[in-house]
This record gives sequence, structure tokens and C-alpha cells, in this order.
Amino acid sequence: EPEVTQTPSHQVTQMGQEVILRCVPISNHLYFYWYRQILGQKVEFLVSFYNNEISEKSEIFDDQFSVERPDGSNFTLKIRSTKLEDSAMYFCASRAAGGQETQYFGPGTRLLVL
Amino acid sequence: SQKIEQNSEALNIQEGKTATLTCNYTNYSPAYLQWYRQDPGRGPVFLLLIRENEKEKRKERLKVTFDTTLKQSLFHITASQPADSATYLCALVRVGGNKLVFGAGTILRVKS
Repeated sequence: EPEVTQTPSHQVTQMGQEVILRCVPISNHLYFYWYRQILGQKVEFLVSFYNNEISEKSEIFDDQFSVERPDGSNFTLKIRSTKLEDSAMYFCASRAAGGQETQYFGPGTRLLVL
Repeated sequence: SQKIEQNSEALNIQEGKTATLTCNYTNYSPAYLQWYRQDPGRGPVFLLLIRENEKEKRKERLKVTFDTTLKQSLFHITASQPADSATYLCALVRVGGNKLVFGAGTILRVKS
């Protein structure tokens, strides 16, 4: 069964450093998402991406964040200058087109900012 | 304000019994609602989706109901097993929306 994959599984970085989190969505999916989950809290929406552009973003997704689909398979989330409060699990999700509403999630990247 | 609420306390049940989890929402017009399972340190795993015009959906031992008048969804696991122990998340998508808005989740513990 096709799956969303994410790399790395864990990332430790120093405050102020840039990180890039990578995702390979399910191959025939057209909608892509990033969510995050701070330890012990709800899963929160960050951004959605369709047709090579951001379709919606949350208040969390400020100028320090960016997304890109550099080729036909990868979908990346970049945090330009990490803060301590960016420490969280980051989940990528994807869904097919049309009436297929289900979003399928990857296993997540655990980001720790020191 | 908009809220999605799930039982904050863990649900402890005996193996073989039916587990019932609740998701209540306020100030939303959901197009559909999804239930996910999440194990510690893992990503949410899709279980069931129910649309606003549907009352009930079933999949194997799972059943979800959706009452837009009560603004509530119930998620049932029949003949529960210890392997069903996990956190169960309810998530809505608004009419015309795209993103999932999650509840905090309910921890289910099934004891043998």
C-alpha cells in the first residue's frame, strides 16, 4: 500500500539554524500539507499546497517558513531560522484529487531546537 | 469561538467490550469528519471518514456516527482488543475548506 514517507525521522539543530524537512507524498496525490504537533498538544495545520502554490496557511506559518515541491516527488518544509518553540513533530500529509478527501499522514520528523 | 472537544480523560475498558469515543464541536459547519488513530511518536493513521449528509459508517469492528443537530460524532470499536490501545483523534474539515482541524484526542486503553 502506498505511503507518505518523511526524512529525517529525527533532527536536532541549534537555535537560529535553518532546517529542511522532506516528504515524499503518495505518487498520484495532488494536495500536500504540513502539520505539526508540539509534545502533548493537538495536531495543528501549517500549510496546504496545490498546483505548485500555497492554497492556505495558518498564523503559525510566518515568514520563517516556506514550502517547495522541487521535483515531481518531493515536498519540503524549510524553517529559515529556528526558534526553541519550533520543537515539535512535523507531519506531512497528502490526498488525491476530486472527491477523495482523506488525508494520509507520514510518520513525522521530530525536530528538537536547542 | 470554534471548538472541537474530545473526552479529555483516558477511557479504560476490558477486552471484548465496546469502546465509545465522543467528539463534540461548536461553531463549525463541517463538510466531513475523520477519525484517526495515533500511537506514541507516530503519525495519525486514517480510520474512517463520514460526510455531513451521512448518519453512520462502518468498517470491520469500527463504526462512526455523525449527528449535525447535536454537533457530535461517536466512534465505536466493538470487541475491543489490547492492540486497539492508542490515542484516537477526531478531525473536521469545514464546508469549502481544505485543512483538517483536530481535537486533542482520547486515549483508549484496553485491558486483557
